[in-house]
This record gives sequence, C-alpha cells and structure tokens, in this order.
Amino acid sequence: EPEVTQTPSHQVTQMGQEVILRCVPISNHLYFYWYRQILGQKVEFLVSFYNNEISEKSEIFDDQFSVERPDGSNFTLKIRSTKLEDSAMYFCASSDTRKGRPAVDYYYEQYFGPGTRLTVT
Amino acid sequence: GQQLNQSPQSMFIQEGEDVSMNCTSSSIFNTWLWYKQDPGEGPVLLIALYKAGELTSNGRLTAQFGITRKDSFLNISASIPSDVGIYFCAGGGADGLTFGKGTHLIIQP
Repeated sequence: EPEVTQTPSHQVTQMGQEVILRCVPISNHLYFYWYRQILGQKVEFLVSFYNNEISEKSEIFDDQFSVERPDGSNFTLKIRSTKLEDSAMYFCASSDTRKGRPAVDYYYEQYFGPGTRLTVT
Repeated sequence: GQQLNQSPQSMFIQEGEDVSMNCTSSSIFNTWLWYKQDPGEGPVLLIALYKAGELTSNGRLTAQFGITRKDSFLNISASIPSDVGIYFCAGGGADGLTFGKGTHLIIQP
C-alpha cells in the first residue's frame, strides 16, 4: 500500500541553524501538507501546497519557514534559523484530488508520514 | 483559529468493552475525520465524513458527522488490545485540518 515517507526520522540541530525536512508524498497525490506536533500536544497545521505553490498557511508558518517541491517526488520544509520552540514532530501529509462541493468542501483524506522528530538544542 | 473540544481526554476500559468519544466545535466544518496515532508514529486515517448526518463504519469503528456540522462521534465496539492509542478528531475547513487534543485510550486486560 502506498505511503508517505519522511527523512530523517530524527534531526538534532543547534539553535540558529537551518534544517531541511524531507518528504516523499504518495505518488499520485496532488496536495501536500506540513503539520507539527509539540510533544504531548495536538497536531497543528502549518501549510498546504498545490500546483507548486502554497495554498494555505497558518500563523505558525512565518517567514522562517519555506516549502519546496524540488523535483517530481520530494516535498521539503525548510526552517531557516531554528529556535528552541521549533522542537517538535513534523509530519508531512498528502491527499488526492478534490471531492465534494467545489470551493467549499475541500479538505480530504490526508495521509500522514511517520514524522521527523526535530530537536533544537 | 478554530478550536475543537474532544472528550474524554483519556479512557481506561476493559478489553471487550465498547468505546465512545466525541468532538464538538463552535464552528462549522465541511469535513470530519478521525485518526489514530501510536507512540512515535504519524496519525493514521480511520474514517472520513463528508455530509452532515452521515454515519460511516470501518470494521468495528463507527463515526457520525453531526447534523449541525459542529460535532462528530467515534464508537469502537468490542475493544481489543491493539485499539490502544490516541484518537484524534479533525475538522476540515479553511485553515487546513484542525485537530482535537486527542483521546488516549488505555485497555486493561
């Protein structure tokens, strides 16, 4: 069964350093997402990406974050200058074509990867 | 942002018992989804609901999309040890998926 994969599984970095988290979404999916989960807390939406551009982003996704689809399979999240509070699990997700009422009912079945645990020291 | 209230926060049950958990919101959602998360892993989609009033089953799991579009419940019948984990509801709207805080299900043998 197709699945979303993420690398690395665990990344340790020093405050102020740049990190790139990588994801390979399910191959025929067109919508890609990043979420984060601080230890013991709920999953929080960061950004959604479609057709090579950001479609929605949350307040968390500030200027230090960026996303890219550098090739036909990878989807990356870059954090430019990491802070201690960026320590969390970061999940990539992908979903298939849109269903339901156009422009209204547009959140679909999102399939999550196993996550990358980012530890900022 | 939109907030989901998920309850209960945790459940301690005996194997074989039925389980019920729910999510409520002050906002309307277009889609309700239920995910399960095991420790150290990503959320796994269990059930997706798209229409108000919709009742959907997936094996021993049954979920409903509330008529008001502001709530959803998940039932698990005849629980087994592998049902242990954290169950999250998620509402789909304009700001991605909004997740509840989770229901931690613990099954006592």
